[in-house]
Amino acid sequence: GENVEQHPSTLSVQEGDSAVIKCTYSDSASNYFPWYKQELGKGPQLIIDIRSNVGEKKDQRIAVTLNKTAKHFSLHITETQPEDSAVYFCANPGASGGSYIPTFGRGTSLIVHP
Amino acid sequence: EAGVTQFPSHSVIEKGQTVTLRCDPISGHDNLYWYRRVMGKEIKFLLHFVKESKQDESGMPNNRFLAERTGGTYSTLKVQPAELEDSGVYFCASSHPGQGYSLIPGELFFGEGSRLTVL
Repeated sequence: GENVEQHPSTLSVQEGDSAVIKCTYSDSASNYFPWYKQELGKGPQLIIDIRSNVGEKKDQRIAVTLNKTAKHFSLHITETQPEDSAVYFCANPGASGGSYIPTFGRGTSLIVHP
Repeated sequence: EAGVTQFPSHSVIEKGQTVTLRCDPISGHDNLYWYRRVMGKEIKFLLHFVKESKQDESGMPNNRFLAERTGGTYSTLKVQPAELEDSGVYFCASSHPGQGYSLIPGELFFGEGSRLTVL
């Protein structure tokens, strides 16, 4: 699978602030864009994903936006809470057909200070 | 519904020894993946099974690593002989086959990982 570039590597915010993590990719045929959250001692868990036919998807305090022209997708967390502290990973976008092998970026360590 | 389970959760061995990690995927999931994360680095793909067949093992570091998936159910990953650089957390994940005729990818369900420490 292709690599993804994820930024920033660490993000420290105060409770209640917003956090944004960005992921860039290279394959213009990509049509599936997932974000995973890994809490301490646990495996990564899908928190939100988006297909290429929409530009934004929201689920309560989290949202993912997609810019296909610029080839990047971003995770937005609003009104951050201490329990949002975790490592967040984007995975390389998948495309229709064939075998999808998700590969992950280096992750973003989000720390939410009470 | 039971999630993906991995065993052991933590293993400490000496260089040169052998370790076998086990993964039980969610029932009915044809896709099974092995990944490894070394502290602070990316979650690196190792290999992918579809049922009992190895679909892609391009991420396996070398021939000291052997993965099997007997009967398309649980999977094992054996490291023999272990080296210091094999230390890390080994994750297993499973997923449904692709959805719909266009095989749009879907969610991966991860286990909690097996932490391997090679001394």
